[in-house]
Amino acid sequence: AQTVTQSQPEMSVQEAETVTLSCTYDTSESNYYLFWYKQPPSRQMILVIRQEAYKQQNATENRFSVNFQKAAKSFSLKISDSQLGDTAMYFCAFMKSGANSKLTFGKGITLSVRP
Amino acid sequence: NAGVTQTPKFRVLKTGQSMTLLCAQDMNHEYMYWYRQDPGMGLRLIHYSVGEGTTAKGEVPDGYNVSRLKKQNFLLGLESAAPSQTSVYFCASSHYKGLWRQETQYFGPGTRLLVL
Repeated sequence: AQTVTQSQPEMSVQEAETVTLSCTYDTSESNYYLFWYKQPPSRQMILVIRQEAYKQQNATENRFSVNFQKAAKSFSLKISDSQLGDTAMYFCAFMKSGANSKLTFGKGITLSVRP
Repeated sequence: NAGVTQTPKFRVLKTGQSMTLLCAQDMNHEYMYWYRQDPGMGLRLIHYSVGEGTTAKGEVPDGYNVSRLKKQNFLLGLESAAPSQTSVYFCASSHYKGLWRQETQYFGPGTRLLVL
């Protein structure tokens, strides 16, 4: 079974600064996907970024980038130039490749961006 | 294109009552999922479906039943609601591209359920 650990329950960052959210996972699979989802106060789950384990290059989406360390089973999210709209809960999630695969979520981290 | 929609948005039930939550997607996705979200627990999978007419249990299936009679709809039923089922319920769907490739899951807006 896979596990996803987000050990920091809360973080705070000043607007326009950079913040990194940590995530580690445990799996015996070699082919899998990793995700970061954002959940603002509206409760909508929004995909932030996705990483395929076979790709060595770290995924980026505008101000969001990841540091994927496969050997260390680490998958951190870096948010650059933080904006007030980034205030949300962030979930790290794992899914193995193949049919009938399911997402396994971490417990989430609450990020507050201060004006 | 509405994506994934959920009905209702909020509901209050008394212990022992039954209800059905409806999830609908217009993206022609093969896979659909029901999750529950509780404080400090993240999202946990209740049931899922890999196609019309098929369902399977997830991590926390007890007390719930599901049906997928049409590809675009996935129903979650509570036959006899209990206070422990007070939660926020999310539906999600994804496209399946073959044995080794499954696409990202897209989520509905959630249904908040309070069982008294």
